[in-house]
Amino acid sequence: NAGVTQTPKFQVLKTGQSMTLQCAQDMNHEYMSWYRQDPGMGLRLIHYSVGAGITDQGEVPNGYNVSRSTTEDFPLRLLSAAPSQTSVYFCASRPGTDNTGELFFGEGSRLTVL
Amino acid sequence: AQSVTQLDSHVSVSEGTPVLLRCNYSSSYSPSLFWYVQHPNKGLQLLLKYTSAATLVKGINGFEAEFKKSETSFHLTKPSAHMSDAAEYFCVVSDTGTYKYIFGTGTRLKVLA
Repeated sequence: NAGVTQTPKFQVLKTGQSMTLQCAQDMNHEYMSWYRQDPGMGLRLIHYSVGAGITDQGEVPNGYNVSRSTTEDFPLRLLSAAPSQTSVYFCASRPGTDNTGELFFGEGSRLTVL
Repeated sequence: AQSVTQLDSHVSVSEGTPVLLRCNYSSSYSPSLFWYVQHPNKGLQLLLKYTSAATLVKGINGFEAEFKKSETSFHLTKPSAHMSDAAEYFCVVSDTGTYKYIFGTGTRLKVLA
């Protein structure tokens, strides 16, 4: 059982480049989300989705795009990378749509923007 | 609006002594509360959760937390620390009817031999 899989695990970009962080889950979870983790700031929500075709913004959405064409996949796109987007990114999913469910996390993607 | 405050950014304990990691929350509705643990260079793992059932919640690896509505607290405890408990711990709140989980800034636990 793979759970939540993120790729790539590490990436170095130059300012202005674009890229996509991939997230896939095999648990048939309706809810998926992206967080960024920065030292001393905990995890902050970037975007989330409650099902295929439905996405919404979190706390820090600027500079990021998402789409949800299937239940399994929730890619995060950086349109024009900036050094401020250097961070560790986590994808998380949960079953159902109520707030009592635990989040299941991927192992993270470490992104450096030069 | 939801918010979470973890009162200590770093906690050091000796192996075999009790652990206390403090968390206060703010919530407009009936919250669900969680504690997650993150070992170095790893993803986050659920320790325990409170979802309006028993106020004393037991989790994995001997951890437990007590929901105190009057104090708006959800502190994490363990009677006896083990070296493998060294990690970063996050308190998380989620309000009924929202899709957002709000994380605290984390407490790094160091366990001394």
